[in-house]
Amino acid sequence: ETGVTQTPRHLVMGMTNKKSLKCEQHLGHNAMYWYKQSAKKPLELMFVYSLEERVENNSVPSRFSPECPNSSHLFLHLHTLQPEDSALYLCASSQGDRGGEKLFFGSGTQLSVL
Amino acid sequence: DQQVKQNSPSLSVQEGRISILNCDYTNSMFDYFLWYKKYPAEGPTFLISISSIKDKNEDGRFTVFLNKSAKHLSLHIVPSQPGDSAVYFCAARDSGAGSYQLTFGKGTKLSVIP
Repeated sequence: ETGVTQTPRHLVMGMTNKKSLKCEQHLGHNAMYWYKQSAKKPLELMFVYSLEERVENNSVPSRFSPECPNSSHLFLHLHTLQPEDSALYLCASSQGDRGGEKLFFGSGTQLSVL
Repeated sequence: DQQVKQNSPSLSVQEGRISILNCDYTNSMFDYFLWYKKYPAEGPTFLISISSIKDKNEDGRFTVFLNKSAKHLSLHIVPSQPGDSAVYFCAARDSGAGSYQLTFGKGTKLSVIP
């Protein structure tokens, strides 16, 4: 148990669906992240929120929309996804300024887009 | 172009022997390096890190070595145990970039044979 909880663990959706991924951290951290892991590719940073403000957006398509209502919760809203968006989506948190040193990851949501 | 490379997708080692996982990087601005371990159906967990001002960091059975001139780091696990079987990710960051970005390698799957 890392202190970062992601739901759902698995998600299958059609290209016209709208769904949301949820992440909650119980560590008192001030930064939260969404990472994407596609098959045979490295983890890719998607978004970073620090103190509830989005501080990084790594050229992610607009069909992915993050939301951070408070420092403990992070959402990733999905709409009109493509099959190539099928991947493992990982949430992470960290403490500190530019806190990329030590990330605490959730177990991920395995997303399949049909 | 991958800035962090783990050229061995997999490695098999006998229990009790040494496991050596390698990582190469191309960005000379990277100044902090981390290793994460990932079991199936779980998110990555932090294992050990090293700053570029050091060439070695040790934590129990795990030691990370950094060769800045060769832009190479390695993770040594001694002695290897079956519970060490997992995917190991090397990651690096440029602290001066003012970014939260961690750049990951694709991972090496370690299998420790009893």
